[in-house]
Amino acid sequence: AQSVTQLGSHVSVSEGALVLLRCNYSSSVPPYLFWYVQYPNQGLQLLLKYTTGATLVKGINGFEAEFKKSETSFHLTKPSAHMSDAAEYFCAVSEGLTGGGNKLTFGTGTQLKVEL
Amino acid sequence: DADVTQTPRNRITKTGKRIMLECSQTKGHDRMYWYRQDPGLGLRLIYYSFDVKDINKGEISDGYSVSRQAQAKFSLSLESAIPNQTALYFCATSDVPGQGQDNYGYTFGSGTRLTVV
Repeated sequence: AQSVTQLGSHVSVSEGALVLLRCNYSSSVPPYLFWYVQYPNQGLQLLLKYTTGATLVKGINGFEAEFKKSETSFHLTKPSAHMSDAAEYFCAVSEGLTGGGNKLTFGTGTQLKVEL
Repeated sequence: DADVTQTPRNRITKTGKRIMLECSQTKGHDRMYWYRQDPGLGLRLIYYSFDVKDINKGEISDGYSVSRQAQAKFSLSLESAIPNQTALYFCATSDVPGQGQDNYGYTFGSGTRLTVV
């Protein structure tokens, strides 16, 4: 079984400030981890993912995330927020290779607001 | 054409009506999924299929059924729609994870917004 917890359903930052969206996961096997972004009235767009290899993963739009096995975390960061980053962000987990792959389980999402 | 196509994009239906949401893909993936999205709840899995002969219930399958007509087609049905099935529905596909498969991931359709009145 797997699960995802996203701390903070709403996060507000000033333009230019650091963005930190928290994600903790639970998985019985080594996981694959994903961050998706959803802009208003749109579908899901993949920001970045961790499958194997380097634990610091860089994605689109200046976002990155670090897989920390000891902390079961995969927090999303961006050094400087832009107004266009305002959206809802979802963290998701699936079983990795050793688990044979599996369905994707999502967190409940974090709405990011960027203020001037 | 999109890799994963959902039809219709929007639908309003009445309580008690049967409705089918369709999903087709050109990715060549064996695995397909149906999710629903509700505000504050994220995306929750309704059904998934790892191949044409394999159908599995997700966490919220009550009130729904599916049909995997071919590798490329996976339909979701609401036999008797009710208002709390009003939601945004997403279809997705994935490959099978393999060693060194850096391109492993999930491809989502654009969603179907369903309103049951």
